[in-house]
Amino acid sequence: EVQLVESGGGLVKPGESLRLSCAVSGFTFSSYSMTWVRQAPGKGLEWVSSISSSHYIYYADSVKGRFTISRDNAKHSLYLQMSSLRAEDTAVYYCVRDEGANTVTTGIFDYWGQGTLVTVSS
Amino acid sequence: DIQMSQSPSSLSASVGDRVTITCRASQSISTYLNWYQQKPGKAPKLLIYAASTLQSGVPSRFSGSGSGTDFTLTISSLQPEDFATYYCQQSFSIPPLTFGGGTKVEIK
Repeated sequence: EVQLVESGGGLVKPGESLRLSCAVSGFTFSSYSMTWVRQAPGKGLEWVSSISSSHYIYYADSVKGRFTISRDNAKHSLYLQMSSLRAEDTAVYYCVRDEGANTVTTGIFDYWGQGTLVTVSS
Repeated sequence: DIQMSQSPSSLSASVGDRVTITCRASQSISTYLNWYQQKPGKAPKLLIYAASTLQSGVPSRFSGSGSGTDFTLTISSLQPEDFATYYCQQSFSIPPLTFGGGTKVEIK
């Protein structure tokens, strides 16, 4: 069974940093592109960042230069290091699997974690 | 960037109704269009990818069509468990991957 479990969310002040983690199981993690998608309270879905199996990395303009995506295939884990956080970064952050194995990021998201809430407020 | 728009933003329907949701891309995306369902407090779920391919395990009352810039998601006979918010998303161009604003399907 595919499982994605996010952790690391919480309440931080503007300008502070936070690191999200996503522990995965049930599939060959190293073969798949992975993505972070966020959802502000009461709002729609927003793509944040993706990392392919071969470590090609993409960011939304809204987080470029502030967020860093990474993966540790040995630990079956995906990370999102967030710095210089702003109020508009407040959202539930979902860890998402891209359906394409051993290929470029397809952008088709077939498995989602339950999400972790990040609140940026003074 | 490719912008995605959905209509309507919300609709009210009854069990058994046929429901159609429209998604439009700001430029041609061929059939690189995916649909997700999200229930309150839950993560989104992939329903349809490549405009018309049903994800494994998704009931056949869901169908998708379209190509280029105009797409539709149809629920042939609305069931109680289908009341949710639906999002389209383009996977033609990255970055960025973009979602529509969502369509909330409510009980009439």
